[in-house]
Amino acid sequence: SAVISQKPSRDICQRGTSLTIQCQVDSQVTMMFWYRQQPGQSLTLIATANQGSEATYESGFVIDKFPISRPNLTFSTLTVSNMSPEDSSIYLCSVDWGRGANVLTFGAGSRLTVL
Amino acid sequence: DQQVKQNSPSLSVQEGRISILNCDYTNSMFDYFLWYKKYPAEGPTFLISISSIKDKNEDGRFTVFLNKSAKHLSLHIVPSQPGDSAVYFCAAGDGAQKLVFGQGTRLTINP
Repeated sequence: SAVISQKPSRDICQRGTSLTIQCQVDSQVTMMFWYRQQPGQSLTLIATANQGSEATYESGFVIDKFPISRPNLTFSTLTVSNMSPEDSSIYLCSVDWGRGANVLTFGAGSRLTVL
Repeated sequence: DQQVKQNSPSLSVQEGRISILNCDYTNSMFDYFLWYKKYPAEGPTFLISISSIKDKNEDGRFTVFLNKSAKHLSLHIVPSQPGDSAVYFCAAGDGAQKLVFGQGTRLTINP
């Protein structure tokens, strides 16, 4: 099956800094999705990243805080900017491989802890 | 507004017995429902799904039931095995590839 690689797998960050998470897939996909899972919470969609156009953000998420790049059909980055402890979460990228309606495949996630 | 809810944060079941995980939703526009399983330090993996035109879908030990009138779905695992111990998320979609997830239920299978 197709592989999604995310890095870093985990990091500890200082308040006020920014961190970029990378997501690499081994097949070309049109859309990539970035989710966040705060401690004890559900997975929440941050934005949809389309190659060649700006990302589409969900309510409550803004480009200044979570800028996304999608330079080609196999790669995307999510930056968490000016971090605060409330940004401590697992960030996951996902893709739709066409396995069936709404079936998304997820990377292993990037666990960020902000001190 | 939590559109998909899993009201049980944890569930403990004896090996060999049936595990039943429940999920409720509020948005009647959802037309596809999925269950994901998540082990620590791994991403969620797809387990089983059901379309809103069905009320049951079965795959080996896993069966998902959908009650549209009650806006309720459940996942049955029988018999339960130690390797089933994980966090289970239900999710719902409206055909737009975006999924709305519940908070998850941590299932522990006791030997």
